[in-house]
Amino acid sequence: DTAVSQTPKYLVTQMGNDKSIKCEQNLGHDTMYWYKQDSKKFLKIMFSYNNKELIINETVPNRFSPKSPDKAHLNLHINSLELGDSAVYFCASSQVDSRGVWFGETQYFGPGTRLLVL
Amino acid sequence: RKEVEQDPGPFNVPEGATVAFNCTYSNSASQSFFWYRQDCRKEPKLLMSVYSSGNEDGRFTAQLNRASQYISLLIRDSKLSDSATYLCVVTRASNYGQNFVFGPGTRLSVLP
Repeated sequence: DTAVSQTPKYLVTQMGNDKSIKCEQNLGHDTMYWYKQDSKKFLKIMFSYNNKELIINETVPNRFSPKSPDKAHLNLHINSLELGDSAVYFCASSQVDSRGVWFGETQYFGPGTRLLVL
Repeated sequence: RKEVEQDPGPFNVPEGATVAFNCTYSNSASQSFFWYRQDCRKEPKLLMSVYSSGNEDGRFTAQLNRASQYISLLIRDSKLSDSATYLCVVTRASNYGQNFVFGPGTRLSVLP
């Protein structure tokens, strides 16, 4: 069974479009994350949600809006796509409670969504 | 200065070689430490956690020196299948909870 899944796997779109990436985890974790890995392969956190509540919001353009309908899902919506948004976006999950106390488990990553903006 | 720094690589080694990766972190409040591996066009996967006492998992040995803020990974008898990018990861508390901070990675190619 896939622990963390993302859709779509590939996304090719034009500049200016709006697109969404979906993520689901079946691990029962309370915390989910979105990371961006750019062409230089550097993996950087964008957002983190704990039990549907935003707990980490790094410096990300407000064109990026995460949405967590429940603790098993964290979707990423991107408005007005730009060329520089081209990257691989990874979703991840781990077990951290709302106080940020971490239970010692590491993160599990989804397979990634390869976004290409033309 | 990046919060987590690693050997720039790439490392090209013959099969059977021993290879060591180094990692330093700048935030002394860092709490937990890991090595991940990432294969080409795949997601990062946990290789091993790193404990202060050092730990070993088969051919892999990880060490942590909190005083020097230094983490290492040693791979003995390297196999072709060890070819990947190795990511050093630390966690630290923030206003929002735990942050996982990834290093830039060191690419390893094991050659036949």
